[in-house]
Parts: sequence; C-alpha cells; structure tokens
Amino acid sequence: EIVLTQSPATLSLSPGERATLSCRASQSISSYLAWYQQKPGQAPRLLIYDTSNRATGIPARFSGSGSGADFTLTISSLEPEDFAVYYCQQRRSWPQTFGQGTKVEIK
Amino acid sequence: EVQLVESGGGLVQPGGSLRLSCVVSGFTVSSNYMSWVRQAPGKGLEWVSIIYSGGTTYYADSVKGRFTISRDNSKNTLYLQMNSLTGEDTAVYYCARWDARYYDYWGQGTLVTVSS
Repeated sequence: EIVLTQSPATLSLSPGERATLSCRASQSISSYLAWYQQKPGQAPRLLIYDTSNRATGIPARFSGSGSGADFTLTISSLEPEDFAVYYCQQRRSWPQTFGQGTKVEIK
Repeated sequence: EVQLVESGGGLVQPGGSLRLSCVVSGFTVSSNYMSWVRQAPGKGLEWVSIIYSGGTTYYADSVKGRFTISRDNSKNTLYLQMNSLTGEDTAVYYCARWDARYYDYWGQGTLVTVSS
C-alpha cells in the first residue's frame, strides 16, 4: 500500500498570503495525484487531478505541481473561503490511498 | 443536476449489521464506477469499496469479508451492506463517483456509530 504523508499538519496563515502544501508518497506514483478540499460538515471537493489539472470551476489561485513522489499544492493568495482541510490522493495502485490532511487555518 | 444522497447510518452495537444506501440522480449508477469512502471522527479519508460498471467489486483489507457493495439499477441506488461491525468502523460514510482518475461527485455522508 502506498502511504501519502502530508506536511505540515497545520498551516496558519492570513488572507492574502501564499499557502504551500506538501504531499510525499512512499514510492513513485508518476503523476497520479489528486487534491481535495474539505470544509467542516461537508464532503470533499475535487480541486486538482493528475498533479496539475484544475477541476471544473476551481479558481486559478489553486495550482498543483510535482512528479514521482513529491507533490505540492499552492494557493497563491488565500481567500477567506480557502481555510479548510486539504487531502491528497493517489491512484497509481490499489488500494487508492489518501494523505492524512493539512489544515489551513486563519492566523 | 447531480445528487448523491446517502442514508441508513445510525447507532449499532458491536457485531451488528447495517445497510447504507446512496440514491443517485443526474447520472446512471450502473454506467459508472462507484465507491464508498469513509472518514472516522476527526480523521482522514479512507477508501472502503468500489463497484465497476461491469460489476466487479473490490474492498479495502480492513472490510474484506464483512462489507458488500452492490447496486440496484432499477432504483439507481448504490448500497453497502456492513456486517460484524466494530468500533473501528465508526465513521461518516460517503458514496462517490470514481471517474477512473478522481472522485468528482460526493454525497453528503451518513454517520455510522458502532457502540454498546
């Protein structure tokens, strides 16, 4: 099973700041990585798929990068609605797995 | 409009059973890959099971032999039969459509609590 390790666990930032979230896989997963956003009491929402492709309706301030085993989600300038938990997920091999999440909180 | 609505969660004793349902509108369950994903309280997401459009099913090791995923094409509904439940199965259970690359549609989730 491929383990995804996200860091940091919590990111404390102010609106307008840049957020950089990391996801590291226990082995190469090529570009088969997605990112989801989850707000309290809500289901996850797809942000990015296959490392760098924004899902429909996702603002351009969200971007993804990386390859192999190291991936990054960047939020260029935090909006109030971006404070949430972010999960990465791999589909390189079954079982598909998720990271443990990074919480982006208001500083 | 696409909607996935789960139901069937609740409080169940250890060793008990529960069947979750996910009623889908806006697309055809039988033509898509459908999964159950769960989230224990305060924890991350865990894939539980998937059913392919052709009917093939897969399970996480943690639920294999205890859970069964199925669908009713006439009702456009996905199910998860859960037996021999333990406290480790306590979670919000989401149904979601798997695009073969990502989960694009999710339900709102249904809470399953296993406790005596």
